[in-house]
Amino acid sequence: GENVEQHPSTLSVQEGDSAVIKCTYSDSASNYFPWYKQELGKRPQLIIDIRSNVGEKKDQRIAVTLNKTAKHFSLHITETQPEDSAVYFCAARSFNTNAGKSTFGDGTTLTVKP
Amino acid sequence: GAVVSQHPSRVICKSGTSVKIECRSLDFQATTMFWYRQFPKKSLMLMATSNEGSKATYEQGVEKDKFLINHASLTLSTLTVTSAHPEDSSFYICSAIFPGSSGNTIYFGEGSWLTVV
Repeated sequence: GENVEQHPSTLSVQEGDSAVIKCTYSDSASNYFPWYKQELGKRPQLIIDIRSNVGEKKDQRIAVTLNKTAKHFSLHITETQPEDSAVYFCAARSFNTNAGKSTFGDGTTLTVKP
Repeated sequence: GAVVSQHPSRVICKSGTSVKIECRSLDFQATTMFWYRQFPKKSLMLMATSNEGSKATYEQGVEKDKFLINHASLTLSTLTVTSAHPEDSSFYICSAIFPGSSGNTIYFGEGSWLTVV
């Protein structure tokens, strides 16, 4: 099955700095890589996703890059703000399979210091 | 807006009793839903895949008789924790695949905090 590893487990940055979270996956059949933000006690919220036919995707301060050959993908947050503080999860699955289950990374706790 | 709704958000039950958690897809049909358990400061642990009209597929190590899953309609899946014990206390969360115009995206319910006393 799929195995997703996420690093770092905790990340602390100063407001305005950039934050980068990296994930690797093992199953070459995975072709969809979403990133979720979860605040304490709340549901994970999809913040950005990327499919394997694209190398990079950007949405305002958030970007995701994918290296399919190396099987790793990264979340980049620029100009971080205190409200970006949360736990971030990466995931991998087969996008086109309706029954495809996602494998999640262990999460990264991001703290943005004012 | 929310496309997956979960209820109740918080529930307290006594040891030995059963508790049911509902997961509903709003305005779309979900043939497949997923149930997760999340421990504090930990990742989402997939418990089972709920399939409409058929038996759920459980992950290794998850007790089928303990965590009953029923997906009786295309918009509702239920998780029943039977004979609950304090160690079953956790955050349970469901998700469903939303067949949007850009493809199949997974959305999560609000989650349910279960406390067994």
